[in-house]
Amino acid sequence: EPEVTQTPSHQVTQMGQEVILRCVPISNHLYFYWYRQILGQKVEFLVSFYNNEISEKSEIFDDQFSVERPDGSNFTLKIRSTKLEDSAMYFCASSEKRSNQPQHFGDGTRLSIL
Amino acid sequence: GESVGLHLPTLSVQEGDNSIINCAYSNSASDYFIWYKQESGKGPQFIIDIRSNMDKRQGQRVTVLLNKTVKHLSLQIAATQPGDSAVYFCAENINYGQNFVFGPGTRLSVLP
Repeated sequence: EPEVTQTPSHQVTQMGQEVILRCVPISNHLYFYWYRQILGQKVEFLVSFYNNEISEKSEIFDDQFSVERPDGSNFTLKIRSTKLEDSAMYFCASSEKRSNQPQHFGDGTRLSIL
Repeated sequence: GESVGLHLPTLSVQEGDNSIINCAYSNSASDYFIWYKQESGKGPQFIIDIRSNMDKRQGQRVTVLLNKTVKHLSLQIAATQPGDSAVYFCAENINYGQNFVFGPGTRLSVLP
């Protein structure tokens, strides 16, 4: 079964540094998403992306965050200047259609900010 | 604001018994719901979904029930197995939006 894959599985970064989290969505999917999950808390939506642009974002997704689809397979989340509170699991998801369709998740990247 | 919540944060069941995990949602505009299973160190895994024009949907060993009158969603797992031990999240999609709102999760522990 096709999978969403994320790299790295664990990223440790000094506060203030930039990080890029990478995702390869399922190949025939057109909609891509980033969610985060702070330890012990629920999964929170960050941003959705379609046709090379952001289609929806939450209040969490501020100017420190950006997303990009640099080529035909990768989907990235960049955090420009990391803060301690950015420590969380970051999940990428993709779906075939816009809405009312299951979103399929990767296994996440654990981001630890020191 | 609008939120999805769960009645029971933890649930322990005997192997072979049936499990029922509940979820309350507050947004009457929600029209699509998913149950996800999350095992330790893994991402949410799709289990079953239901649209708001349905009351019940069955999968393999799982059934989702939707009661729109009281804004309640449940996941029933038949003959619970050790491999079912995980955190279960309900998630709602509001008015054809592109994001899901997740509940806080229920941890299911299957006892031998």
